[in-house]
Amino acid sequence: EIVMTQSPATLSVSPGERATLSCRASQSLTSNLAWYQQKPGQAPRLLIYGASTRATGIPAKFSGSGSGTEFTLTISSLQSEDFAVYYCQQYNNWPTFGQGTKLEIK
Amino acid sequence: EVQLLESGGGLVQPGGSLRISCAASGFAFNSYAMSWVRQAPGKGPEWVSGFNIAGDRTYYTDSVKGRFTISRDTSSDTLYLQMHSLRAEDTAVYYCAVSSGWIFDYWGQGTLVTVSS
Repeated sequence: EIVMTQSPATLSVSPGERATLSCRASQSLTSNLAWYQQKPGQAPRLLIYGASTRATGIPAKFSGSGSGTEFTLTISSLQSEDFAVYYCQQYNNWPTFGQGTKLEIK
Repeated sequence: EVQLLESGGGLVQPGGSLRISCAASGFAFNSYAMSWVRQAPGKGPEWVSGFNIAGDRTYYTDSVKGRFTISRDTSSDTLYLQMHSLRAEDTAVYYCAVSSGWIFDYWGQGTLVTVSS
């Protein structure tokens, strides 16, 4: 099983600022990584796949980068609706998710 | 618009059985792979089971093999998960999802399964 480790567990950022979330895989994924956003009481929503390709309808403020074992999700110009929990997920093998990063208002 | 509506969750005793359903609409159900993904309280999601696009192969995470069975009815565009020998650690919100290459593109709102005496 590929283990996904996200950091930090909680990230406090002020509205209007940029947030940078990290995800590390226990083995190389090439670019087989996705990011999801989850708000309280809702299902996860696909943001990014292929490490850097935005899903349909996702604004350009969300960007993904990385390959191999190190990946980053960057969210620019944070607005209130962006504060949520973010999960990375690998699909290089049987799919596994990280434990999440909670993005909270500073 | 893709819509996925899960139902059938509830409280079940350890060792018991439950079948949950997912009614799909807004897309060609028999042309997409489908999965069940669960999320225990306060935890990250966990993929549980899935169908390939053709619908002729099924896949399971190790912890549910032999206990859970995924099936689908293309005449009613419904996905099912039959769960037996339920354990406390199976307690979670169960989501159905449209998947492509194990990327979970669309999710339902989930149904809560609680295993407790």
